Amino acid sequence: NAGVMQNPRHLVRRRGQEARLRCSPMKGHSHVYWYRQLPEEGLKFMVYLQKENIIDESGMPKERFSAEFPKEGPSILRIQQVVRGDSAAYFCASSGRGPSTDTQYFGPGTRLTVL
Amino acid sequence: DQQVKQNSPSLSVQEGRISILNCDYTNSMFDYFLWYKKYPAEGPTFLISISSIKDKNEDGRFTVFLNKSAKHLSLHIVPSQPGDSAVYFCAASGDGGTSYGKLTFGQGTILTVHP
Repeated sequence: NAGVMQNPRHLVRRRGQEARLRCSPMKGHSHVYWYRQLPEEGLKFMVYLQKENIIDESGMPKERFSAEFPKEGPSILRIQQVVRGDSAAYFCASSGRGPSTDTQYFGPGTRLTVL
Repeated sequence: DQQVKQNSPSLSVQEGRISILNCDYTNSMFDYFLWYKKYPAEGPTFLISISSIKDKNEDGRFTVFLNKSAKHLSLHIVPSQPGDSAVYFCAASGDGGTSYGKLTFGQGTILTVHP
């Protein structure tokens, strides 16, 4: 009965490199959400995806960030040309029925450090 | 624009006593509210939720109260245990508009339960 899985758990990148964060939702869940937690802050919504569709990306920075949830395989959050300000914990959550009154269950997070 | 606020950064309680964590919101489109508990270096763990059609929901030692007219909710933990020491986040989502799908989090309250 695996929960939400994220990998890697820790990722170190130098400025200008690319970061790829992966998220496998709970079994049976088809809704995936990405959140970012900057140091000393709460979690901030980034993007909501269903299989092969981006539903809401209003929290995504306009440049360098992209997300996908293909028909097969995990959801990917991609950050191109990382900068030090991208250092944060990135959490993925999944739900089964969709938003509103459906509970989102979170993975353990990926801690990105940009040197 | 902080739509969900937890005004107490920290709370210290004696073991066995009641812990009361508070949360205020401003967006009237929110209709589902959740509490998550988070340990360092882990993802948020779902605790309890409440729909806006209710004013109370109870699950074991945890009870959430919702006062819609005041746009206020609270989490009661009785009796508090040292293992409850963690950061508690209040979150809200809505059925429409810009609140659809995504969770909006408060800043968190650090609960410390002393033996």
